[in-house]
Amino acid sequence: AQSVTQPDIHITVSEGASLELRCNYSYGATPYLFWYVQSPGQGLQLLLKYFSGDTLVQGIKGFEAEFKRSQSSFNLRKPSVHWSDAAEYFCAGRENDYKLSFGAGTTVTVRA
Amino acid sequence: ETGVTQTPRHLVMGMTNKKSLKCEQHLGHNAMYWYKQSAKKPLELMFVYSLEERVENNSVPSRFSPECPNSSHLFLHLHTLQPEDSALYLCASSQRAGGTYEQYFGPGTRLTVT
Repeated sequence: AQSVTQPDIHITVSEGASLELRCNYSYGATPYLFWYVQSPGQGLQLLLKYFSGDTLVQGIKGFEAEFKRSQSSFNLRKPSVHWSDAAEYFCAGRENDYKLSFGAGTTVTVRA
Repeated sequence: ETGVTQTPRHLVMGMTNKKSLKCEQHLGHNAMYWYKQSAKKPLELMFVYSLEERVENNSVPSRFSPECPNSSHLFLHLHTLQPEDSALYLCASSQRAGGTYEQYFGPGTRLTVT
């Protein structure tokens, strides 16, 4: 079955430090991949998406992600985190015309 | 209104009540979804409607009854719920086929069953 896996349940990072969240996928063909962010009590907001072309994708809020076929990865990065980046982050991949498969999520805590 | 809206944002109901959750999308999409998000559990897909036809029902108990009267509106009718049904219920929409498949989410309804 096609799926995505987020190996890290929780990450703590200092404000101003860089952040990298891991996502591994298992899809045969070129996958459609997404990163979402969820602040407490809110819905999921789309940060960025990849489906073809340049493997380095820029998103909103200063985030970027890199698609690496050789490593089956689609890791999310931000060079310098802000306290407002504390949230839960979900990686997702397309399963079919209407269904996405979501990872379990990574909670990011930002310390001052 | 823009994006995906959900009402109410918070709902407290007893186990014998009947209530409905409403979702509206202003994106011109043709597929809509209900998800359940419980604490410490993965996101659970409950129902999918595509072109107003239900295309997926993931073994959801019959006390949850979806309705999709048109491509912009989606309801989730609730009756005789259990305390374990307390969760954040998220609605989403997407453009099925011809798009890039991303889903856009509403802010959710926080449901508490007492």
